[in-house]
Amino acid sequence: DGGITQSPKYLFRKEGQNVTLSCEQNLNHDAMYWYRQDPGQGLRLIYYSQIVNDFQKGDIAEGYSVSREKKESFPLTVTSAQKNPTAFYLCASSMFNSGANVLTFGAGSRLTVL
Amino acid sequence: SQQGEEDPQALSIQEGENATMNCSYKTSINNLQWYRQNSGRGLVHLILIRSNEREKHSGRLRVTLDTSKKSSSLLITASRAADTASYFCATVTNSGAGSYQLTFGKGTKLSVIP
Repeated sequence: DGGITQSPKYLFRKEGQNVTLSCEQNLNHDAMYWYRQDPGQGLRLIYYSQIVNDFQKGDIAEGYSVSREKKESFPLTVTSAQKNPTAFYLCASSMFNSGANVLTFGAGSRLTVL
Repeated sequence: SQQGEEDPQALSIQEGENATMNCSYKTSINNLQWYRQNSGRGLVHLILIRSNEREKHSGRLRVTLDTSKKSSSLLITASRAADTASYFCATVTNSGAGSYQLTFGKGTKLSVIP
């Protein structure tokens, strides 16, 4: 089955640690996205990538970093510079970044800072 | 930045009743989409309506778009307990240089009581 796999599903981090969330897709989609979801806040865009080896900042990129070395993979690193990292993180992909963007989402990763 | 705002924030109805959710937005859009999210899961795309369309149907879903009022509504007819979820509108706008951005609202939490 084609889809997006996020791992881990749950992650606990101590303050000061960097953590990396994995996102892999086998849909042959060009564009990939990372969103953060907080209760009552909806989804906010962290980073997106339209093509391998290229990515752009979203609305809340500070304290996060990404890479896009392969078309299938778009890992997100939450760095110690992110002051309030506890949240639900959602990875998504779309065939390409176009006016008819329809996103396919992974199941999410819940990060808790202890 | 949040473009779409859903109303109401929460809605509770009896099974078999219709559920209506509204979405208002601020700037011109290319299209508007509705997504569904079950608790603790990723989002699933439901329906897309283009800016030159006024109404669209998909099964028990009916979406309308009024670009003059910058608003959309999602109607779920003959609701079922399995429709219990959060529903998000998302607007697609042209962010320049051939790139498009999809921005989510905060969602409406629908509870369907058996």
